[in-house]
Amino acid sequence: GNSVTQMEGPVTLSEEAFLTINCTYTATGYPSLFWYVQYPGEGLQLLLKATKADDKGSNKGFEATYRKETTSFHLEKGSVQVSDSAVYFCALTPGSARQLTFGSGTQLTVLP
Amino acid sequence: GAVVSQHPSRVICKSGTSVKIECRSLDFQATTMFWYRQFPKQSLMLMATSNEGSKATYEQGVEKDKFLINHASLTLSTLTVTSAHPEDSSFYICSATQGRNTEAFFGQGTRLTVV
Repeated sequence: GNSVTQMEGPVTLSEEAFLTINCTYTATGYPSLFWYVQYPGEGLQLLLKATKADDKGSNKGFEATYRKETTSFHLEKGSVQVSDSAVYFCALTPGSARQLTFGSGTQLTVLP
Repeated sequence: GAVVSQHPSRVICKSGTSVKIECRSLDFQATTMFWYRQFPKQSLMLMATSNEGSKATYEQGVEKDKFLINHASLTLSTLTVTSAHPEDSSFYICSATQGRNTEAFFGQGTRLTVV
């Protein structure tokens, strides 16, 4: 079956530090990969996505590259801000299906 | 992006009672809605998929008589936890999509505590 393994948190960084949140997956076929972010008190929001191997998703300074050879989709940001404090979820959908399989989420706290 | 509103955000109920959670798409017609459940420090687990006007499709291991899902209109789906017990305490979150291969938009989630 499909599964997503995500770096456990919580992660605490100082402002302007480099962020990496690891995500690896197991899936049949060619899944689409996503990163969602959940700010306190809000619903999940799509942060970025990639639909095929070697695609790079990017948004708001965050990036992730779809690596089929390592089945990974690590999230990176060069310089985090306090406003980036949130829970980040890695997820996949197999093929054209819309049901998402999620990782366990990583709580990020950025200190000023 | 589109907005999905989930209500209530938190609810505490007594064991044996039923709780209804609403999921509304505010500015689009949601042909399909998904209900997820999240245990502490674990993944969001898909419970069921509901299409407007038809019966929900439940994932393996999810009791359909325990978790009643109604998707009566293109903007509203409800999840009713019947005869709730403490083990049903969890975070429930819905998502909605407008059509095939379109982005899923999520509600804020509902924290259910059964005492």
